[in-house]
Amino acid sequence: DIVMIQTPLSSPVTLGQPASISCRTSQSLAHSDGNTYLSWLQQRPGQPPRLLIYKISNRFSGVPDRFSGSGAGTDFTLKISRVEAEDVGVYYCTQATQFPYTFGQGTKLEIK
Amino acid sequence: EVQLVESGGGLVQPGGSLRLSCAASGFTFNSHWMHWVRQAPGKGLVWVSYINTDGTNTRYADSVKGRFTISRDNAKNTLYLQMNSLRAEDTAVYYCARGGAGAVDYWGLGTLVTVSS
Repeated sequence: DIVMIQTPLSSPVTLGQPASISCRTSQSLAHSDGNTYLSWLQQRPGQPPRLLIYKISNRFSGVPDRFSGSGAGTDFTLKISRVEAEDVGVYYCTQATQFPYTFGQGTKLEIK
Repeated sequence: EVQLVESGGGLVQPGGSLRLSCAASGFTFNSHWMHWVRQAPGKGLVWVSYINTDGTNTRYADSVKGRFTISRDNAKNTLYLQMNSLRAEDTAVYYCARGGAGAVDYWGLGTLVTVSS
């Protein structure tokens, strides 16, 4: 199974400041079809997960452009350019390159 | 608007069975893979199972293989998860989720399964 390690596990951020979350995987997420199926989810308190970014860097429908994704191979990053109060929650990286799908442990974003 | 509405959760004794359902609407159900993902209280997300568009291909997490069965009824736009031989460690919120965009793109609100005597 592909192991996904997120850092940090907790990220206190000042409103309006940037935030960054790293996700490293135990093997390359590059699929034989040429795509890399790494995505990022946001889970606000008491809510189900919501897709933010798919295939490394594509913002999903309705996701603000302050969210961006980057990376390749085994090393990926989610960035929030200016954190807003509604961004509080837990962020997960996840891979759909091979079964079983796996998730990172989650990074809790909180406001300082 | 894509909607996924789970039902069927509840309290069950160890060794018991439950059948979860997920009613889908707002999209062409038979065009999408579907998944179940669970989340134990206060814990992270764990993928449970997948089914392809016509139900001919399924996959399971090792932790549920042989005990859980995923299925779908495309005529009813409904996804199912039959859970047998339930254990305390199966206690979780179970999310129905849609495959799309090379990811799991839409999630239901979840249904809580509690396995306890």
